[in-house]
Amino acid sequence: TQLLEQSPQFLSIQEGENLTVYCNSSSVFSSLQWYRQEPGEGPVLLVTVVTGGEVKKLKRLTFQFGDARKDSSLHITAAQPGDTGLYLCAGTTYNQGGKLIFGQGTELSVKP
Amino acid sequence: DTGVSQNPRHKITKRGQNVTFRCDPISEHNRLYWYRQTLGQGPEFLTYFQNEAQLEKSRLLSDRFSAERPKGSFSTLEIQRTEQGDSAMYLCASSLERLAGTGELFFGEGSRLTVL
Repeated sequence: TQLLEQSPQFLSIQEGENLTVYCNSSSVFSSLQWYRQEPGEGPVLLVTVVTGGEVKKLKRLTFQFGDARKDSSLHITAAQPGDTGLYLCAGTTYNQGGKLIFGQGTELSVKP
Repeated sequence: DTGVSQNPRHKITKRGQNVTFRCDPISEHNRLYWYRQTLGQGPEFLTYFQNEAQLEKSRLLSDRFSAERPKGSFSTLEIQRTEQGDSAMYLCASSLERLAGTGELFFGEGSRLTVL
């Protein structure tokens, strides 16, 4: 059973379009992270959200943590080819110690 | 470069052989994690250390897998009697203990294993 469910798993869009990726769980998370990974590289942290209802912006990326701390979303405005990659949500729960649990990822392809 | 370093980056081996991967974390980080990732999937937790102590091991870590961090600095992950199902990217990450609850891990570039 996947603790963190991401949707969609694959997304192929044209440059300039907007998109939203969702990360859902039945568990409550003490914090939730979004990572981006390019082929042949390790994941790189984009953002951490810790407060229910929190919204963080990183240029064209907007991250939201659900009020109940069970879900999160990543919205990208005016996507560019450089946004192409695997987007991973990850989280730590209160009873998981320090380990980080990942979702299965969303493979994003932005075509020029 | 003071990031997390992993080697070798690529390893091709025959089924039944043993392989060892090494991870050098960011120097001041006392936590070190190992993850396994297959194509198109998210990383799966294998084990983690705080200093030299191995605090948790996943059920994914069969008795053919062993990880060590003898001096609390670098770590090794050994896979004995490799099987084709072991083919994956093995990722190492490090963090500071005080930031553990925030999930801020710094990953290496990974070691890709192919078992023929």
